[in-house]
Order: sequence, then structure tokens, then C-alpha cells
Amino acid sequence: QVQLQESGPGLVKPSETLSLTCTVSGGSISSYSWYWVRQPAGKGLEWIGRFHGSGTTTYNPSLKSRVTMSVDTSKTQFSLRLSSVTAADTAVYYCAISSGANLPFNYWGQGTLVTVSS
Amino acid sequence: DIVMTQSPDSLAVSLGERATINCKSSQSVLYSSNNKNYLAWYQQKPGQPPKLLIYWASTRESGVPDRFSGSGSGTDFTLTISSLQAEDVAVYFCHQYYTTPSFGGGTKVEIK
Repeated sequence: QVQLQESGPGLVKPSETLSLTCTVSGGSISSYSWYWVRQPAGKGLEWIGRFHGSGTTTYNPSLKSRVTMSVDTSKTQFSLRLSSVTAADTAVYYCAISSGANLPFNYWGQGTLVTVSS
Repeated sequence: DIVMTQSPDSLAVSLGERATINCKSSQSVLYSSNNKNYLAWYQQKPGQPPKLLIYWASTRESGVPDRFSGSGSGTDFTLTISSLQAEDVAVYFCHQYYTTPSFGGGTKVEIK
């Protein structure tokens, strides 16, 4: 059974960079497409970006200028960096995977709350 | 970008009764080459991540009770819970994966 776990600081100051890591267990990291999704409290889901096993990345245009994603296959980890954060970036951040491009998200991490505040 | 619009925002249904949730996409998510609708439904309970229920608009994920069903094609889709159980109280989201992903705003299902 594939399991994902997000980790990273729960509090980030405005204008700083949010950094999160997703660690996968029980599966081959290279077999999947990787996603980050966020959810502000009481609101819907927003896709942040995806990393395909081929090495290509695609970002939500609304966040593209601030987002960087990467995969470390040796550590079976997937990371997110979001720069110049504001209070509007406060949300629960999820990592998720699909079995390939243009497929639904089979597995999700439990999510981690990141609060942007001074 | 494809915009997904769900309705209603919330609904209250008596135990054992039918719950129906609608999802409309701003453009078709039916891929003509394989005749598949790139549409999924998720269930999210408080404090939990979304759980995949339905994909290809009507295929149930393994282990999902058969009271959950999906239908529709092109731009209009429906998730139906045929006989609502207490454990079905949750928020339900539709998700198109035809292009860069997008989600509906969610529908909160409660017990009447």
C-alpha cells in the first residue's frame, strides 16, 4: 500500500519561502505523477503543480512565478517551494500521486497546515 | 483552464434516501480517441484528505460501496448516493484530469 507523508514548517513569515517535502513509502517513485494541492480552511481544492516521471513539471499559472517542484528518487521524496508567501497562502497542503499523466489522484498524504504569519 | 462548477453547495438528505450532486465543466472532458470522460469524484471527511470514489466518470474505485455511482458525459456529470448512510456525511468534489487539473467547489452532504 502506497503511503505519502508531508513534512515541513507549520509557520512561515510573510515574504519568506514555504518549503515542504512529501515522502513516499510502499511504491516506486518513478512510476507516478506527483502533485501538490492546497486547501484553505473551509474552502475547495487548488492544484499547485505536477511533476511527471519523465521529469517534466507543470505549474498552476496563478502560482507559476513562485513555485518550484522537484523529486529526489534516491530518497523517494517530492518537494515544494513557494516563494514570497502572503496570508493568502495559508492552507492545508497535500501531496498526491496518480499512476500516470492525466489520471485521477489515487493516493493522498494526510496534509499539513501551513500558516503564513509574522 | 477548465472551470468546474458544482451544485448544490450543500444538501441535507434523510438516512436511506437518495443524494444527487451535479458537476458541470466549462468545456468537454470527453476524449474522443478513447471515448473516456476524464472526470473523478472524491469524498472528504473532516480532518482527512480526499478519497477517490469514482473515475472515468462512472468507474468505482476498489472498495467503494455500490451505493455510490457516477454518470454523465461531456460537460455534465452526476454523483449519486442511492441510500444515504451516516458515514457518507462529507464534502464531495469533482475533478477533471483532461487537462491541467481543476476541482469543483465541493458539495457538503448532511443528514436531515
